[in-house]
Amino acid sequence: NAGVTQTPKFQVLKTGQSMTLQCAQDMNHEYMSWYRQDPGMGLRLIHYSVGAGITDQGEVPNGYNVSRSTTEDFPLRLLSAAPSQTSVYFCASSRGEGNQPQHFGDGTRLSIL
Amino acid sequence: TQLLEQSPQFLSIQEGENLTVYCNSSSVFSSLQWYRQEPGEGPVLLVTVVTGGEVKKLKRLTFQFGDARKDSSLHITAAQPGDTGLYLCAGPTQGGSEKLVFGKGTKLTVNP
Repeated sequence: NAGVTQTPKFQVLKTGQSMTLQCAQDMNHEYMSWYRQDPGMGLRLIHYSVGAGITDQGEVPNGYNVSRSTTEDFPLRLLSAAPSQTSVYFCASSRGEGNQPQHFGDGTRLSIL
Repeated sequence: TQLLEQSPQFLSIQEGENLTVYCNSSSVFSSLQWYRQEPGEGPVLLVTVVTGGEVKKLKRLTFQFGDARKDSSLHITAAQPGDTGLYLCAGPTQGGSEKLVFGKGTKLTVNP
């Protein structure tokens, strides 16, 4: 019973490099989202998707792109990494029917040098 | 912008003590959720409260939703080291029921 799977678990990048954080869920959830978690800042929404082919911006979308070609996958792309993007990134999914639990992955710890 | 303020930010207590953490807002929320996050893991849902004045119990944890649906509290009775973690409250934004705004969390440490 995998739930939400995020890869990689750890990554170190140099400023200006690009990379994709992977997120996959096997619960057939319509709603998926990406958050970043920084010390003292809580969880902040980056991008979200209410279904395949539909994405929208959250609170802190600058510097990140997403796509949702399938129900299962919701990758997050950093186009040109900056030190300010050093953070722990969490992907979450839910059934999208209101008051449903968000199921989180275990996170990707990303450092930008 | 809907904001959720959590207090205290940090709490360190001895095993067996009782504690209460708070989640407050100036906005009305249709529901609030409480999550617990352990180091190296993602948050896990503890409870969802929906009705103003609602009280829910989960073993030694008691959750209350304010009558005006602007605040919530989490009370832990006889805390144990296994209760250690980051407690987060979250509520749906006006933009969508699944689009959540999170508080900054209360980091609880229960010492044996």
